[in-house]
Amino acid sequence: GIQVEQSPPDLILQEGANSTLRCNFSDSVNNLQWFHQNPWGQLINLFYIPSGTKQNGRLSATTVATERYSLLYISSSQTTDSGVYFCAVPPYNQGGKLIFGQGTELSVKP
Amino acid sequence: DAGVIQSPRHEVTEMGQEVTLRCKPISGHNSLFWYRQTMMRGLELLIYFNNNVPIDDSGMPEDRFSAKMPNASFSTLKIQPSEPRDSAVYFCASSLALGTGGSYEQYFGPGTRLTVT
Repeated sequence: GIQVEQSPPDLILQEGANSTLRCNFSDSVNNLQWFHQNPWGQLINLFYIPSGTKQNGRLSATTVATERYSLLYISSSQTTDSGVYFCAVPPYNQGGKLIFGQGTELSVKP
Repeated sequence: DAGVIQSPRHEVTEMGQEVTLRCKPISGHNSLFWYRQTMMRGLELLIYFNNNVPIDDSGMPEDRFSAKMPNASFSTLKIQPSEPRDSAVYFCASSLALGTGGSYEQYFGPGTRLTVT
């Protein structure tokens, strides 16, 4: 089955710093989602991004489907950005079920 | 919209007891997914429904697990009998199905944290 790998597994930042999280996937997909799991365990939708670049405030994401990777950029990080960031992809023609990466755990220090 | 609603939010039960988790998808969505999150295995799909019909239950760990979707606005995941290794966070998600066999963006409920002692 499709493999989803995220890097780095852990990241510690000082408040105000920028970071880039990476998601590699092993096969063609219809789309890709980025989620933020906050310290309370909720999965919050960040981006639905099959290809191209999207921006939402301090966050942006780029997916290059032909090269099978996606990047999540966090600029001017804040302590509220702490948590685990997941990317997830649906294997082609399998009804949309998501295969998740193992996540990047981000800790932003004040 | 209220988003995906799950109940209960927390469940503590003793080994051998029956557990029922409940989910109400976003109105208008026709695909519903049950996922489980554990430290060891991460987030993994258990089962999903399209138009109330189970499509893929290959992730259901064993016969102790069963899921139903009697109508478009309600689904249950039942574990009987429960075991300590079932302790995890169970998420329900919903989306609109794409005609190409995929789906649009999935939205997750707040999860049910299950502890089996």
